[in-house]
Amino acid sequence: NAGVTQTPKFRVLKTGQSMTLLCAQDMNHEYMYWYRQDPGMGLRLIHYSVGEGTTAKGEVPDGYNVSRLKKQNFLLGLESAAPSQTSVYFCASSQIFAAKNIQYFGAGTRLSVL
Amino acid sequence: GQQLNQSPQSMFIQEGEDVSMNCTSSSIFNTWLWYKQDPGEGPVLLIALYKAGELTSNGRLTAQFGITRKDSFLNISASIPSDVGIYFCAGPQRNAGGTSYGKLTFGQGTILTVHP
Repeated sequence: NAGVTQTPKFRVLKTGQSMTLLCAQDMNHEYMYWYRQDPGMGLRLIHYSVGEGTTAKGEVPDGYNVSRLKKQNFLLGLESAAPSQTSVYFCASSQIFAAKNIQYFGAGTRLSVL
Repeated sequence: GQQLNQSPQSMFIQEGEDVSMNCTSSSIFNTWLWYKQDPGEGPVLLIALYKAGELTSNGRLTAQFGITRKDSFLNISASIPSDVGIYFCAGPQRNAGGTSYGKLTFGQGTILTVHP
C-alpha cells in the first residue's frame, strides 16, 4: 500500500552542488507532478509529466530539470543548488477519469541549501 | 492566472470548538478539492466537490461547493487535537485551450492549531 514514495526524506546541500530527488508511484498513474512548498505560499508546480517520456514546465521551473524514463518514476534534478531552493518538495501522481482528477502526494523531501 | 485565496490564514482554537474556513477565486471552478497536510507529511485529500451547491460530509468535516462556482467552504465540527495541520483548497487549472493536464491550483493554506 505504498502509493507515492519520495527519496530522500531530508538533504542538506552546499551552494553549487547537484542532486536528484526520486519519486516512485505504484498506482499506474499517467500523470506526475513536482511541487515546492514554502511558508505562506501553498504548493507551487515546478514541472509535470502527462506520461512516460514526456515532461512540461509548471509555474516555477527555473533551476530544475526532470525526467520520466519509466511510467512509475519521476525524477527532479537540481544541477547547481542555490539557497533560494531551500524548500520542501512534494511529488504527486494522478489518473484523470470522467473529468475527475485527484492527486496523491508523497511525504515530501526537506532540502536545505547552505 | 487562476488564484485561490483562503481565509483565515491561521486559526487557534480550543478542543471541541467548530471551525470554518473558506476559499475564494475570481475565476469559476468546476471542481473543488480540500486537502489536509499533517505536520511533516504530504497533503491528503479530505473531500472532493464536483457540482455547484453540493454539500458533502466526511465524518466531522463538511464542505460545500458555492453556487457561484467561485468559492467553497470547509467546516470541522467538535475539533480534536489531531485536526491540527494545514488545510488547502485546490481546483483544476485551465489553459487557454481548455485542457489542464490534471494540474491543480492550490490556495495558500489555513493553518489550524487546536489547544487541548
